[in-house]
Amino acid sequence: DTEVTQTPKHLVMGMTNKKSLKCEQHMGHRAMYWYKQKAKKPPELMFVYSYEKLSINESVPSRFSPECPNSSLLNLHLHALQPEDSALYLCASSQGVNYGYTFGSGTRLTVV
Amino acid sequence: AQRVTQPEKLLSVFKGAPVELKCNYSYSGSPELFWYVQYSRQRLQLLLRHISRESIKGFTADLNKGETSFHLKKPFAQEEDSAMYYCALKAQGPLSSGSARQLTFGSGTQLTVLP
Repeated sequence: DTEVTQTPKHLVMGMTNKKSLKCEQHMGHRAMYWYKQKAKKPPELMFVYSYEKLSINESVPSRFSPECPNSSLLNLHLHALQPEDSALYLCASSQGVNYGYTFGSGTRLTVV
Repeated sequence: AQRVTQPEKLLSVFKGAPVELKCNYSYSGSPELFWYVQYSRQRLQLLLRHISRESIKGFTADLNKGETSFHLKKPFAQEEDSAMYYCALKAQGPLSSGSARQLTFGSGTQLTVLP
């Protein structure tokens, strides 16, 4: 298995809802990442996990809460989002220092 | 802090013509550079990494430390090369991050290869 799998592919949620995005990889990668991508813009880093520990949080609002329950899974819990949070949320993993990332296909989130 | 600059938002070339997508970087450490490609409605895919010095789909990129550049080149463009291309730099993170290093993307260049 050489893929990063993200679910759901699409999500529409209200501003008072609580939802979670899921990401899974079985490549043995010990670094996992959440990125946010707006239309026609580059991905922006949100969180970095290394060996299931949060190592980088790029000043993301607390309405986004990451979780890494084990080495294969990464979640992003969402609560009280704003319409401007609508974007493509990308998960990625990496093998090591000299390797690029493997990206998932993303979750297209719409906040109404 | 690291920075990646792709000066061209849009680039159009004719099929069979050479293509060069420019990328310049700013980083005080030893850079690790990558090119990613995003075809329409598909996931972001790694195209090249400078350390491997490989050619993928006819594309090559050479790291020029003197000019702090990592331009992507292909001698004969094909219509299927039309996509968004991102140059990216992997920074040295905090020691606690281990191999989890932050990847910073340029703003991207939309390449269109015309028939």
